[in-house]
Amino acid sequence: AQSVTQLGSHVSVSEGALVLLRCNYSSSVPPYLFWYVQYPNQGLQLLLKYTTGATLVKGINGFEAEFKKSETSFHLTKPSAHMSDAAEYFCAFLPTGNQFYFGTGTSLTVIP
Amino acid sequence: DGGITQSPKYLFRKEGQNVTLSCEQNLNHDAMYWYRQDPGQGLRLIYYSQIVNDFQKGDIAEGYSVSREKKESFPLTVTSAQKNPTAFYLCASSPSGTSVVSYNEQFFGPGTRLTVL
Repeated sequence: AQSVTQLGSHVSVSEGALVLLRCNYSSSVPPYLFWYVQYPNQGLQLLLKYTTGATLVKGINGFEAEFKKSETSFHLTKPSAHMSDAAEYFCAFLPTGNQFYFGTGTSLTVIP
Repeated sequence: DGGITQSPKYLFRKEGQNVTLSCEQNLNHDAMYWYRQDPGQGLRLIYYSQIVNDFQKGDIAEGYSVSREKKESFPLTVTSAQKNPTAFYLCASSPSGTSVVSYNEQFFGPGTRLTVL
């Protein structure tokens, strides 16, 4: 079965600390992977995506993610957290066609 | 500006009533989607449409209906058959339809929060 799993529904970091949000996928075909961010009562905004090519992908707001096929992972990182990074983050997976599979989300809290 | 609009932002309805949520896009995208979001459950796909006059059920279609008469519009009706309709509803679109395998991201509207009283 194809799926995406986000480890940790809640993550707290101090302002200025490293942000690491984990995402693992399960797929029998080469995946396309995405990270979205959602602020309260808003829609989702694309942070970054991996389709083919370079496995380290840079996105908006200083975020990046690395596709590791051997670990079936696509973890999201940011070297230094900012208060404005507090939001819900969703990993998404597109095995084929047009149907996305979304993770259950990770709520990021940034502590001043 | 191109984008996706959803209306209304907040919607209240009484039990037993049908209600229609609007979704309009001016991005010229072929595919459109409806998701339901509940706390701790992520996004669940209700219906999607890859071309005009065609749509498919998603994972939780029971109690919902859609139409796709125009490329830019994909309204969702929450019927009285939906047992627990209170949720945040998100509409999305993506460029490709059925003609190619797509790896395009989905673009999301701002959402509609539906509360059943």
